[in-house]
Amino acid sequence: GEDVEQSLFLSVREGDSSVINCTYTDSSSTYLYWYKQEPGAGLQLLTYIFSNMDMKQDQRLTVLLNKKDKHLSLRIADTQTGDSAIYFCAESILTDKLIFGTGTRLQVFP
Amino acid sequence: DGGITQSPKYLFRKEGQNVTLSCEQNLNHDAMYWYRQDPGQGLRLIYYSQIVNDFQKGDIAEGYSVSREKKESFPLTVTSAQKNPTAFYLCASGTDNEQFFGPGTRLTVL
Repeated sequence: GEDVEQSLFLSVREGDSSVINCTYTDSSSTYLYWYKQEPGAGLQLLTYIFSNMDMKQDQRLTVLLNKKDKHLSLRIADTQTGDSAIYFCAESILTDKLIFGTGTRLQVFP
Repeated sequence: DGGITQSPKYLFRKEGQNVTLSCEQNLNHDAMYWYRQDPGQGLRLIYYSQIVNDFQKGDIAEGYSVSREKKESFPLTVTSAQKNPTAFYLCASGTDNEQFFGPGTRLTVL
């Protein structure tokens, strides 16, 4: 079945890089996504990657995809306190339905 | 101002009552979705609609109903048959490979 897993917490110092990891089980994923959720708010689409790509960079965000290991990561360079939030990875499989991970809570401390 | 709106932001309901959550979008998206979010869990799909006058059950449709009479609107009714309705409800709309989320409605059953 479809399953997406993430670690629950990550804590980093301001200015360091953050790396949030995600593993998925379905090899027929077409797109993989990263969303950000601030407290009490909806999800904000940060970036996504097509499954035939290895890497995508967008300003401070770098997405790496290892399709062989079914592993997706999001690197945030120069992490700021405003980056503190819950980050969800998600995959789409053939249709426009998304399967979400449980979310990683990123805490940035000064 | 383009986007997705959900109302109300907070909703309280007595046990045994039906309640309807509103979702409107002016992004001209064909597809709309309802998700439920519980603490420590990822988003779970309740219902989705890819076109007006058509919708499909998601993974946890029991106790919920929807309608899609207009492209812009996709209301969700939480019925008294839903055994544990207290949650954060998120509506989304999307294109082929992107989904955009509204700000959410927090429903509390008293």
